[in-house]
Amino acid sequence: SQQGEEDPQALSIQEGENATMNCSYKTSINNLQWYRQNSGRGLVHLILIRSNEREKHSGRLRVTLDTSKKSSSLLITASRAADTASYFCATPYGGSQGNLIFGKGTKLSVKP
Amino acid sequence: NAGVTQTPKFQVLKTGQSMTLQCAQDMNHEYMSWYRQDPGMGLRLIHYSVGAGITDQGEVPNGYNVSRSTTEDFPLRLLSAAPSQTSVYFCASSQQGVSGNTIYFGEGSWLTVV
Repeated sequence: SQQGEEDPQALSIQEGENATMNCSYKTSINNLQWYRQNSGRGLVHLILIRSNEREKHSGRLRVTLDTSKKSSSLLITASRAADTASYFCATPYGGSQGNLIFGKGTKLSVKP
Repeated sequence: NAGVTQTPKFQVLKTGQSMTLQCAQDMNHEYMSWYRQDPGMGLRLIHYSVGAGITDQGEVPNGYNVSRSTTEDFPLRLLSAAPSQTSVYFCASSQQGVSGNTIYFGEGSWLTVV
Protein backbone atom coordinates (compact mmCIF):
# COMPACT_ATOMS: atom_id res chain seq x y z
CA SER A 1 0.00 0.00 0.00
CA GLN A 2 1.19 3.49 -0.76
CA GLN A 3 1.68 6.09 1.89
CA GLY A 4 1.15 9.26 -0.08
CA GLU A 5 -1.63 10.15 -2.46
CA GLU A 6 -1.35 13.18 -4.70
CA ASP A 7 -4.26 15.27 -5.84
CA PRO A 8 -5.17 16.06 -8.55
CA GLN A 9 -3.99 13.18 -10.72
CA ALA A 10 -3.60 15.56 -13.65
CA LEU A 11 -3.42 19.33 -13.94
CA SER A 12 -3.32 21.46 -17.05
CA ILE A 13 -2.54 25.19 -16.86
CA GLN A 14 -1.27 28.04 -18.98
CA GLU A 15 2.26 29.36 -18.76
CA GLY A 16 2.52 32.03 -16.07
CA GLU A 17 -0.19 30.55 -13.89
CA ASN A 18 0.46 28.94 -10.52
CA ALA A 19 0.17 25.18 -10.05
CA THR A 20 -0.81 23.62 -6.75
CA MET A 21 -0.51 19.92 -6.01
CA ASN A 22 -1.55 18.24 -2.80
CA CYS A 23 -0.36 15.14 -1.01
CA SER A 24 -2.01 13.24 1.80
CA TYR A 25 -0.31 10.53 3.79
CA LYS A 26 -1.39 7.97 6.34
CA THR A 27 1.10 7.56 9.17
CA SER A 28 3.29 9.86 11.21
CA ILE A 29 6.41 11.05 9.43
CA ASN A 30 9.51 13.02 10.29
CA ASN A 31 9.97 14.39 6.80
CA LEU A 32 8.29 14.56 3.41
CA GLN A 33 9.93 15.03 0.04
CA TRP A 34 8.79 16.11 -3.39
CA TYR A 35 10.26 14.75 -6.60
CA ARG A 36 9.84 15.58 -10.24
CA GLN A 37 9.93 13.19 -13.19
CA ASN A 38 10.20 14.29 -16.77
CA SER A 39 8.74 11.89 -19.30
CA GLY A 40 11.02 8.91 -19.84
CA ARG A 41 13.51 9.98 -17.17
CA GLY A 42 14.37 9.20 -13.58
CA LEU A 43 13.08 11.16 -10.62
CA VAL A 44 14.82 14.29 -9.42
CA HIS A 45 14.66 15.58 -5.88
CA LEU A 46 13.01 18.99 -5.49
CA ILE A 47 12.63 19.72 -1.80
CA LEU A 48 12.52 18.12 1.65
CA ILE A 49 10.42 19.46 4.51
CA ARG A 50 10.81 18.19 8.06
CA SER A 51 7.96 17.57 10.44
CA ASN A 52 8.88 20.59 12.56
CA GLU A 53 8.67 22.89 9.53
CA ARG A 54 5.43 24.33 8.21
CA GLU A 55 6.65 25.94 5.03
CA LYS A 56 9.72 25.86 2.86
CA HIS A 57 10.74 27.73 -0.27
CA SER A 58 13.12 26.92 -3.07
CA GLY A 59 13.11 29.29 -6.03
CA ARG A 60 9.62 29.17 -7.53
CA LEU A 61 8.64 26.23 -5.33
CA ARG A 62 6.77 26.55 -2.07
CA VAL A 63 6.00 23.50 0.04
CA THR A 64 3.76 23.40 3.08
CA LEU A 65 3.30 20.63 5.61
CA ASP A 66 0.37 20.19 7.97
CA THR A 67 1.12 17.25 10.23
CA SER A 68 -2.23 17.52 11.99
CA LYS A 69 -4.02 16.93 8.70
CA LYS A 70 -1.30 14.63 7.36
CA SER A 71 -1.05 16.66 4.19
CA SER A 72 1.43 18.65 2.16
CA SER A 73 1.16 20.93 -0.82
CA LEU A 74 3.56 21.93 -3.57
CA LEU A 75 3.05 25.28 -5.24
CA ILE A 76 4.89 26.20 -8.41
CA THR A 77 4.59 29.90 -9.11
CA ALA A 78 4.76 31.54 -12.54
CA SER A 79 4.86 28.16 -14.25
CA ARG A 80 6.81 27.57 -17.45
CA ALA A 81 6.39 25.01 -20.22
CA ALA A 82 9.56 23.37 -18.90
CA ASP A 83 7.73 22.59 -15.64
CA THR A 84 5.67 20.02 -17.52
CA ALA A 85 6.37 16.77 -15.66
CA SER A 86 4.96 14.41 -13.07
CA TYR A 87 5.37 15.37 -9.44
CA PHE A 88 5.52 12.89 -6.59
CA CYS A 89 5.46 13.22 -2.85
CA ALA A 90 7.41 10.68 -0.83
CA THR A 91 7.77 9.72 2.81
CA PRO A 92 10.22 7.44 4.63
CA TYR A 93 9.57 3.74 4.21
CA GLY A 94 9.23 1.88 7.46
CA GLY A 95 12.05 2.64 9.84
CA SER A 96 14.64 3.21 7.18
CA GLN A 97 15.60 6.78 6.39
CA GLY A 98 17.28 5.66 3.22
CA ASN A 99 14.18 4.58 1.35
CA LEU A 100 10.99 6.29 0.41
CA ILE A 101 7.45 5.31 -0.39
CA PHE A 102 5.89 7.31 -3.20
CA GLY A 103 2.44 8.45 -4.13
CA LYS A 104 1.02 7.95 -7.60
CA GLY A 105 1.91 11.44 -8.73
CA THR A 106 0.34 14.50 -10.30
CA LYS A 107 0.87 14.94 -14.02
CA LEU A 108 1.33 18.64 -14.71
CA SER A 109 1.00 20.06 -18.20
CA VAL A 110 1.94 23.69 -18.74
CA LYS A 111 0.82 25.07 -22.07
CA PRO A 112 2.83 27.87 -23.69
CA ASN B 1 29.32 13.10 -12.83
CA ALA B 2 28.08 9.53 -13.26
CA GLY B 3 25.79 9.34 -10.20
CA VAL B 4 23.59 6.26 -10.48
CA THR B 5 24.09 4.19 -13.61
CA GLN B 6 21.67 1.50 -14.73
CA THR B 7 22.05 -1.02 -17.52
CA PRO B 8 20.50 -2.08 -19.80
CA LYS B 9 18.23 0.78 -20.80
CA PHE B 10 15.84 -1.49 -22.68
CA GLN B 11 15.34 -5.25 -22.58
CA VAL B 12 12.83 -7.72 -23.97
CA LEU B 13 12.59 -11.09 -22.26
CA LYS B 14 10.61 -14.21 -22.89
CA THR B 15 8.52 -15.65 -20.09
CA GLY B 16 10.66 -17.88 -17.91
CA GLN B 17 13.97 -16.30 -18.83
CA SER B 18 16.21 -14.85 -16.17
CA MET B 19 18.22 -11.65 -16.30
CA THR B 20 20.07 -9.17 -14.16
CA LEU B 21 19.59 -5.42 -14.12
CA GLN B 22 22.83 -3.74 -13.17
CA CYS B 23 23.12 -0.70 -10.95
CA ALA B 24 26.22 1.17 -9.87
CA GLN B 25 26.74 4.41 -7.96
CA ASP B 26 29.94 6.39 -7.52
CA MET B 27 28.86 8.58 -4.61
CA ASN B 28 29.85 6.16 -1.84
CA HIS B 29 26.24 6.00 -0.70
CA GLU B 30 25.30 3.42 1.87
CA TYR B 31 21.67 3.07 0.90
CA MET B 32 20.65 1.59 -2.44
CA SER B 33 17.24 0.47 -3.63
CA TRP B 34 15.24 -0.77 -6.55
CA TYR B 35 11.80 0.52 -7.51
CA ARG B 36 9.42 -0.42 -10.25
CA GLN B 37 7.07 2.05 -11.86
CA ASP B 38 3.86 0.99 -13.53
CA PRO B 39 1.27 3.25 -15.19
CA GLY B 40 -0.98 4.85 -12.58
CA MET B 41 0.87 3.13 -9.73
CA GLY B 42 3.68 5.48 -8.89
CA LEU B 43 6.89 3.84 -7.68
CA ARG B 44 6.94 0.74 -5.54
CA LEU B 45 9.95 -0.41 -3.57
CA ILE B 46 11.19 -3.89 -4.50
CA HIS B 47 14.34 -4.42 -2.41
CA TYR B 48 16.76 -2.19 -0.62
CA SER B 49 20.15 -2.31 1.04
CA VAL B 50 21.53 -0.23 3.91
CA GLY B 51 25.11 -1.27 3.29
CA ALA B 52 27.36 -3.89 1.76
CA GLY B 53 26.25 -7.37 2.73
CA ILE B 54 22.82 -6.22 3.97
CA THR B 55 19.61 -6.42 1.96
CA ASP B 56 15.93 -6.38 2.82
CA GLN B 57 12.57 -6.65 1.12
CA GLY B 58 10.41 -3.73 0.12
CA GLU B 59 6.76 -3.63 -0.86
CA VAL B 60 6.86 -5.95 -3.89
CA PRO B 61 9.85 -8.33 -3.56
CA ASN B 62 8.38 -11.52 -5.05
CA GLY B 63 10.13 -12.74 -8.19
CA TYR B 64 13.23 -10.62 -7.58
CA ASN B 65 16.55 -11.27 -5.91
CA VAL B 66 19.29 -8.85 -4.87
CA SER B 67 22.74 -8.92 -3.38
CA ARG B 68 25.14 -6.21 -2.21
CA SER B 69 28.71 -7.44 -2.29
CA THR B 70 30.20 -3.95 -2.69
CA THR B 71 29.13 -0.44 -1.73
CA GLU B 72 28.98 0.57 -5.39
CA ASP B 73 26.89 -2.20 -6.95
CA PHE B 74 23.35 -3.43 -6.35
CA PRO B 75 22.15 -5.80 -9.09
CA LEU B 76 18.52 -6.89 -9.37
CA ARG B 77 17.87 -10.39 -10.63
CA LEU B 78 14.69 -11.64 -12.20
CA LEU B 79 14.70 -15.35 -11.54
CA SER B 80 11.99 -16.45 -13.98
CA ALA B 81 10.47 -13.52 -15.83
CA ALA B 82 6.71 -13.16 -15.99
CA PRO B 83 4.58 -10.73 -18.03
CA SER B 84 3.55 -9.08 -14.74
CA GLN B 85 7.16 -7.94 -14.38
CA THR B 86 6.88 -5.76 -17.47
CA SER B 87 7.69 -2.37 -16.00
CA VAL B 88 10.18 0.43 -15.74
CA TYR B 89 12.80 -0.23 -13.08
CA PHE B 90 14.68 2.46 -11.23
CA CYS B 91 17.73 2.06 -9.10
CA ALA B 92 18.38 4.68 -6.45
CA SER B 93 20.93 5.55 -3.81
CA SER B 94 21.20 7.85 -0.84
CA GLN B 95 23.62 8.72 1.92
CA GLN B 96 22.96 7.74 5.49
CA GLY B 97 21.55 10.73 7.28
CA VAL B 98 19.99 11.74 10.55
CA SER B 99 16.59 12.73 9.28
CA GLY B 100 15.71 12.54 5.66
CA ASN B 101 17.95 11.77 2.73
CA THR B 102 17.82 12.97 -0.83
CA ILE B 103 17.52 9.99 -3.09
CA TYR B 104 19.34 9.95 -6.41
CA PHE B 105 17.76 7.95 -9.20
CA GLY B 106 19.15 6.27 -12.26
CA GLU B 107 17.56 6.91 -15.63
CA GLY B 108 15.51 3.71 -15.62
CA SER B 109 15.46 0.33 -17.35
CA TRP B 110 12.48 -0.50 -19.54
CA LEU B 111 11.72 -4.20 -19.34
CA THR B 112 9.15 -6.04 -21.45
CA VAL B 113 8.33 -9.68 -20.78
CA VAL B 114 6.52 -11.43 -23.61
